[in-house]
Amino acid sequence: QQQVKQSPQSLIVQKGGISIINCAYENTAFDYFPWYQQFPGKGPALLIAIRPDVSEKKEGRFTISFNKSAKQFSLHIMDSQPGDSATYFCAASIPFNAGNMLTFGGGTRLMVKP
Amino acid sequence: DAGVIQSPRHEVTEMGQEVTLRCKPISGHDYLFWYRQTMMRGLELLIYFNNNVPIDDSGMPEDRFSAKMPNASFSTLKIQPSEPRDSAVYFCASRPPGPPGGYTFGSGTRLTVV
Repeated sequence: QQQVKQSPQSLIVQKGGISIINCAYENTAFDYFPWYQQFPGKGPALLIAIRPDVSEKKEGRFTISFNKSAKQFSLHIMDSQPGDSATYFCAASIPFNAGNMLTFGGGTRLMVKP
Repeated sequence: DAGVIQSPRHEVTEMGQEVTLRCKPISGHDYLFWYRQTMMRGLELLIYFNNNVPIDDSGMPEDRFSAKMPNASFSTLKIQPSEPRDSAVYFCASRPPGPPGGYTFGSGTRLTVV
């Protein structure tokens, strides 16, 4: 079952532009929402994460926006750079005591053109 | 910290052969996960361990797949017999104890079954 739906599947952005990737979830028990970045030939690496008690979290050029009522969250990459070209995965997990597995979205392949 | 170490990085085998993938998690991490990544299905959780005990293997596709974690510093994923449709990148990830946090992924094993 796909409990986390991610869009778009691919995205092309010009250097300096804003990249926006969206995710929607179904399970209201999810309480931790990380984003992972994966470069070719590498494993996914944690980029930024948010909990549902806040609506936004910013780290440098990367911002997560979270809408609990809509069960949606998104990643915004400001001033996108060619080095940001990678595959991005959103994810969600259920509370710790319930096993705490991450459920991943399908991934978005981002290409930032110079 | 050397991170999560997987071996081999690449494996090419003939259909019907046994394949063993290896993983060394980060010291102190008590959760270990095995994922499979394909273009068609994205990141799929195969099995995960907590304190060396398998907790959920519902993602293991068939009886041909088996995983063990004999101690806190080593895990294997075995496919016997292998089939061409098993071709994928297999990732191992670990995370520390406590509330949900980021997983650390290894660099993966690219398996090709011909």
